[in-house]
Amino acid sequence: GAVVSQHPSRVICKSGTSVKIECRSLDFQATTMFWYRQFPKKSLMLMATSNEGSKATYEQGVEKDKFLINHASLTLSTLTVTSAHPEDSSFYICSASGIVAGGSSYNEQFFGPGTRLTVL
Amino acid sequence: AQSVAQPEDQVNVAEGNPLTVKCTYSVSGNPYLFWYVQYPNRGLQFLLKYITGDNLVKGSYGFEAEFNKSQTSFHLKKPSALVSDSALYFCAVSSVGGSYIPTFGRGTSLIVHP
Repeated sequence: GAVVSQHPSRVICKSGTSVKIECRSLDFQATTMFWYRQFPKKSLMLMATSNEGSKATYEQGVEKDKFLINHASLTLSTLTVTSAHPEDSSFYICSASGIVAGGSSYNEQFFGPGTRLTVL
Repeated sequence: AQSVAQPEDQVNVAEGNPLTVKCTYSVSGNPYLFWYVQYPNRGLQFLLKYITGDNLVKGSYGFEAEFNKSQTSFHLKKPSALVSDSALYFCAVSSVGGSYIPTFGRGTSLIVHP
């Protein structure tokens, strides 16, 4: 099946530093990757959608300069939280969709395990 | 615009009893419907999807969902709940001819009591 990994799974950083989170599709080509933010016991908030080789499309209210997204290849997307502050502490989840061998391409998303970011 | 409603924040059920987690949707065009499950501090896991064909869809871990076009619903069901089914469940919809990006419901917390 389609597997998506995220690294790191957990990160603690000081306020003002930048943090990079990687999202990889391990066994399929992810034409589109999504980045979500999830607050405790809350639904997923879509932050941005990225297609390989093009700029990410950010949802309304998401700061492009603060949450930098790069989708340089069909298997890797990165989210960089720049100058992180305590209010950026959250659970960040990526997902990927694409053509999975033997599967369908009906917009099914495959999710990474998530990254818990804590900014002190 | 497409939307998904999960009207219950929380569903409580006793182990061994049947469970239902409700989902209704609104799209223009034919819907693609999904259910995902999330365990604490984990990403979402795919349970099942409806694209076309039989209205009753069977998925992972004994779950199933019934697509009802007239009621625009896609409720998740399981005949006999397990304590290990306790988790957060998300319904999602995308559409042919509409937005290809799935819209997620706010999630329903399922608690199965021993």
